[in-house]
Amino acid sequence: DGGITQSPKYLFRKEGQNVTLSCEQNLNHDAMYWYRQDPGQGLRLIYYSQIVNDFQKGDIAEGYSVSREKKESFPLTVTSAQKNPTAFYLCASSAGGSGNQPQHFGDGTRLSIL
Amino acid sequence: DAKTTQPNSMESNEEEPVHLPCNHSTISGTDYIHWYRQLPSQGPEYVIHGLTSNVNNRMASLAIAEDRKSSTLILHRATLRDAAVYYCILIFGNEKLTFGTGTRLTIIP
Repeated sequence: DGGITQSPKYLFRKEGQNVTLSCEQNLNHDAMYWYRQDPGQGLRLIYYSQIVNDFQKGDIAEGYSVSREKKESFPLTVTSAQKNPTAFYLCASSAGGSGNQPQHFGDGTRLSIL
Repeated sequence: DAKTTQPNSMESNEEEPVHLPCNHSTISGTDYIHWYRQLPSQGPEYVIHGLTSNVNNRMASLAIAEDRKSSTLILHRATLRDAAVYYCILIFGNEKLTFGTGTRLTIIP
C-alpha cells in the first residue's frame, strides 16, 4: 500500500543529545512536511520541502534540522538546542505545493525526554 | 496568515447529519479550504477540500459560502467512527500551514 511511514513510534532523548526521526513515503510526492503537536493543541509547521535538495523553515524551525537528499525521504533531527522537544511529531506529503493537493500524514513519532 | 475559527466542541446523535462550521473572514482568493480529522495518537486524515464551489466525496460534503468567508463540513449520517477532532485550514502553496485547535466532535449513541 502507498503511504507514509514514520519511525520509531516512540523515542526517548537524553539531555544534550541529538535524535533523528525518520519519514519515508512511497506516494511519489514532491512536497514533504514536518509538524509538531503538543497535547491538546493543533499542528505547527517545523520545516517543509517542495523538491529534492531544497527545504524551507516553517513557524517553529529553531532547534530542528532537516535534509532532503531523496524524494522519498525527509528525516528530522531534533537538536540539543531544542529545549522543549517533548511532543508528537507528524510527517506529511502532498503531490505538489499548491493548495489544491491534500496532505497525507504518517502515524507520528512521540518524543519524550529522559 | 489567513486564520480560521471553529467551535471548540460539538455533539451529535448517531445516524444524524452533522454540520461543522468554520469562519475564515480573511481568506484570500487563492486559498483552498481544507478539512482534516484526527483520532487520538494518530496522524490527521484528509476529509475534503474546495476553492469556491461546494464539493462532495464519499466521506463528506463541503458547503462554501458565496463570499467564501465561511464554510461548513457536512457529515450526512454520523457514526461512532466519526468522533474525532476536525480541523479547518486554509492552504495556498506551502505558506506557514498551521492547524488550529479544531472542533472536537462527540457522537452520542
